[in-house]
Amino acid sequence: NAGVTQTPKFRILKIGQSMTLQCTQDMNHNYMYWYRQDPGMGLKLIYYSVGAGITDKGEVPNGYNVSRSTTEDFPLRLELAAPSQTSVYFCASTRQGVGYGYTFGSGTRLTVV
Amino acid sequence: ELKVEQNPLFLSMQEGKNYTIYCNYSTTSDRLYWYRQDPGKSLESLFVLLSNGAVKQEGRLMASLDTKARLSTLHITAAVHDLSATYFCAVDIDRNYQLIWGAGTKLIIKP
Repeated sequence: NAGVTQTPKFRILKIGQSMTLQCTQDMNHNYMYWYRQDPGMGLKLIYYSVGAGITDKGEVPNGYNVSRSTTEDFPLRLELAAPSQTSVYFCASTRQGVGYGYTFGSGTRLTVV
Repeated sequence: ELKVEQNPLFLSMQEGKNYTIYCNYSTTSDRLYWYRQDPGKSLESLFVLLSNGAVKQEGRLMASLDTKARLSTLHITAAVHDLSATYFCAVDIDRNYQLIWGAGTKLIIKP
């Protein structure tokens, strides 16, 4: 199994540009999450999804959008990129039930200049 | 406000020494997770603690959970350089399996 796959691994955006960070999992997990990690900091939840067609905001959703049309895919859209969105973005998933923990993707390092 | 606090946030230690990282949390929960992150890498699951008094061990690392004190510890025994990483604890708040994360403890082990 590939687990959680994120693309791209690196990206440089200019202020005002838009992009989509891709996240795909092949474990049939219902629950998926997008986090950002600023340098030297912990994880902040941007959006999450409990299944196809259902998404909800996390702690820091402003400037981002998500969709979940299939169980496998959970893309994160950045509209009008700003320098404050420079960060490393991690996608994670988990299955229903207690104690399974998250499986993380390898991350996308985004720089907005 | 839900909080997960780790201390210390930074720890530099010599090989062969023992030390403990603490994780305090502010909400009622009996599910706590420890993850490891190497520089520039993703997060890797270390331990899952699911009840009061739970203890898990893997090599030189041992994690425990005291839900009454809302405290988890990650103990390092006879540290080796390969354990240098950032360690995160996270608490399951029983809401769509959301985890609340600590800020991480950056551990540097010097030869």
